Amino acid sequence: EDKVVQSPLSLVVHEGDTVTLNCSYEVTNFRSLLWYKQEKKAPTFLFMLTSSGIEKKSGRLSSILDKKELSSILNITATQTGDSAIYLCAAPIYNQGGKLIFGQGTELSVKP
Amino acid sequence: EAQVTQNPRYLITVTGKKLTVTCSQNMNHEYMSWYRQDPGLGLRQIYYSMNVEVTDKGDVPEGYKVSRKEKRNFPLILESPSPNQTSLYFCASSFTGYNQPQHFGDGTRLSIL
Repeated sequence: EDKVVQSPLSLVVHEGDTVTLNCSYEVTNFRSLLWYKQEKKAPTFLFMLTSSGIEKKSGRLSSILDKKELSSILNITATQTGDSAIYLCAAPIYNQGGKLIFGQGTELSVKP
Repeated sequence: EAQVTQNPRYLITVTGKKLTVTCSQNMNHEYMSWYRQDPGLGLRQIYYSMNVEVTDKGDVPEGYKVSRKEKRNFPLILESPSPNQTSLYFCASSFTGYNQPQHFGDGTRLSIL
C-alpha cells in the first residue's frame, strides 16, 4: 500500500532556531514529491522535488530528496513566528491516474 | 485574480439532508480534486478529475459524489450526510495534472449533526 509518513507530527521551537521536518514515502513508481505550507486556510505550494540530491531553496527554506532513503527533508533556518504552520508533503501515484497521497502533516509552532 | 472558490465556507446541517459544496476555478485548469482534512490524518483525497466528464475515486470516496460537466466547476455532493463526514474540505486544481503544484480553495468546514 502506498503511503507517506511525516515526522515529527508537532514541534515547538523558539525564534531563531533551525528546524528539520521529515517526510518518508513508500510509493509505487515514485517520481516526485511536493511540499506545502498551510497556515490558517488553504495549503500553499513550497517545493516540488524530482531528482535526488538536488536542493531546492527559497529564502530560509530548503528541501532535498533522497531516493535511496525514500525520504525528503524540509529545513527552515532562523525561524520566525510567521513560519508557524502545518507543513504537508505529498506524492503522486503515477500508476493510478490522478491520485495524490499526503502525509499527516507536521504542525510547527515558533515562539517569540 | 487566479483563484479556486468554494462555497459555502461554513455549514452546519443534519444527518440525511443532501448538500452540495461548489468549487470553481478561473485558471482553465484541467485537473481538479477534493480532499478532506481531519486532525492527525492530513489531507485525504476523495475524488479527482483529470478533465471534463472524467472523474475517479481517491482514497476515501464512500458517501460522496462528484461531477465535472464544465472545466471550471467540480461540485462535491453528499447525498445523505452522516456525522463521520464532519470535516474540513478543500478543493484544488492544477493545469494539467496531479504532479504539478495545486492551487487550493480556502476550505469548507462542514458539521453534520
